Amino acid sequence: SAVISQKPSRDICQRGTSLTIQCQVDSQVTMMFWYRQQPGQSLTLIATANQGSEATYESGFVIDKFPISRPNLTFSTLTVSNMSPEDSSIYLCSVRSQSSYEQYFGPGTRLTVT
Amino acid sequence: GESVGLHLPTLSVQEGDNSIINCAYSNSASDYFIWYKQESGKGPQFIIDIRSNMDKRQGQRVTVLLNKTVKHLSLQIAATQPGDSAVYFCAENISTGNQFYFGTGTSLTVIP
Repeated sequence: SAVISQKPSRDICQRGTSLTIQCQVDSQVTMMFWYRQQPGQSLTLIATANQGSEATYESGFVIDKFPISRPNLTFSTLTVSNMSPEDSSIYLCSVRSQSSYEQYFGPGTRLTVT
Repeated sequence: GESVGLHLPTLSVQEGDNSIINCAYSNSASDYFIWYKQESGKGPQFIIDIRSNMDKRQGQRVTVLLNKTVKHLSLQIAATQPGDSAVYFCAENISTGNQFYFGTGTSLTVIP
């Protein structure tokens, strides 16, 4: 399995500001994803991070609000822009193995917007 | 997207007993499934997976059963330990697509 790290692990931010979350994987992976998990709820896919091109966003998520970069096969960033308290959530990076469909998650970034 | 529940089912078991966590999935075209364990403050941890050409798969102390007829998945944990206390999610995927759809989750509490 891949080892995934995220930075920061948590942050408290003021509304109207932006936060960039970093995801680093210890091996080259085919696919990287960003999920959101609101308190006490399940996981919702925000977007698929594509290397060298624009991310593919799921319904309800837009690039202006959640810009994503993936400059190479082991690194991606998610920015939460112009934050509001409704953005308070855990943001999770996830990767899929090159050789199978197994999907693994990072430790998450716990974001609180005040 | 698929259903995302607002109420987390709970299951309490005595230490040493077996646990069974159930999941009903929604898409009959789903052909790959994963069970995840999520402890408080951590990301989901891959436990075991199963493909639709199987109806049972065993790991260390865990067994996943798949019933495609009724679109039901279960995770059995043998000799449950306090360290098994966590929220367990099932996730379904259609191999031709990217997205995994996650179930509501079940909170397992092991009573010492």
